Amino acid sequence: SAVISQKPSRDICQRGTSLTIQCQVDSQVTMMFWYRQQPGQSLTLIATANQGSEATYESGFVIDKFPISRPNLTFSTLTVSNMSPEDSSIYLCSVEVTGGINEQYFGPGTRLTVT
Amino acid sequence: GENVEQHPSTLSVQEGDSAVIKCTYSDSASNYFPWYKQELGKRPQLIIDIRSNVGEKKDQRIAVTLNKTAKHFSLHITETQPEDSAVYFCAAKVRAAGNKLTFGGGTRVLVKP
Repeated sequence: SAVISQKPSRDICQRGTSLTIQCQVDSQVTMMFWYRQQPGQSLTLIATANQGSEATYESGFVIDKFPISRPNLTFSTLTVSNMSPEDSSIYLCSVEVTGGINEQYFGPGTRLTVT
Repeated sequence: GENVEQHPSTLSVQEGDSAVIKCTYSDSASNYFPWYKQELGKRPQLIIDIRSNVGEKKDQRIAVTLNKTAKHFSLHITETQPEDSAVYFCAAKVRAAGNKLTFGGGTRVLVKP
């Protein structure tokens, strides 16, 4: 498996501001993903963070709202821009461990509340 | 794209009984099916997975079965214990689609002592 950390673990932000969430992995991984989990809901993929190129966004998510960086194979950031209360959610990074099985593991999540 | 449906949404069982959660998927190209357990306030944890070339896999009290023809897979928990209470998510992956997991809606399992 992989040890995944996220910062911050939680934050309360005012509407109109932006928050950058960091994800750090203890080993190099090819695939990193960002998910959103709204209260009581399932996991929704926001985007795939590609090392050295622009992230690949899922339908309903755009780069201007959720810019992502992936400067190397162990680190990625997700920014939630111009926040509104609807952005209140848990944001999780996830990595796929390369190898024969390619399991996917999740970070501890960042609980964001927008007031 | 892939669509994964999960049933039931909630499941209440007596301690010691079995629990079964079922998922169906739409894309016949899917070839990897993991199950995650998420306790309150915690991250989803991978508990078991199955690949498309296998029909069943067991790990102690949990097992997963896969029916490729019918495009459905199930999680079976035997001899349930209170610590099995959590939300369980199934997922499916289409390797050709950029290694993305598509998740089911989740099942909230409550094991009553």
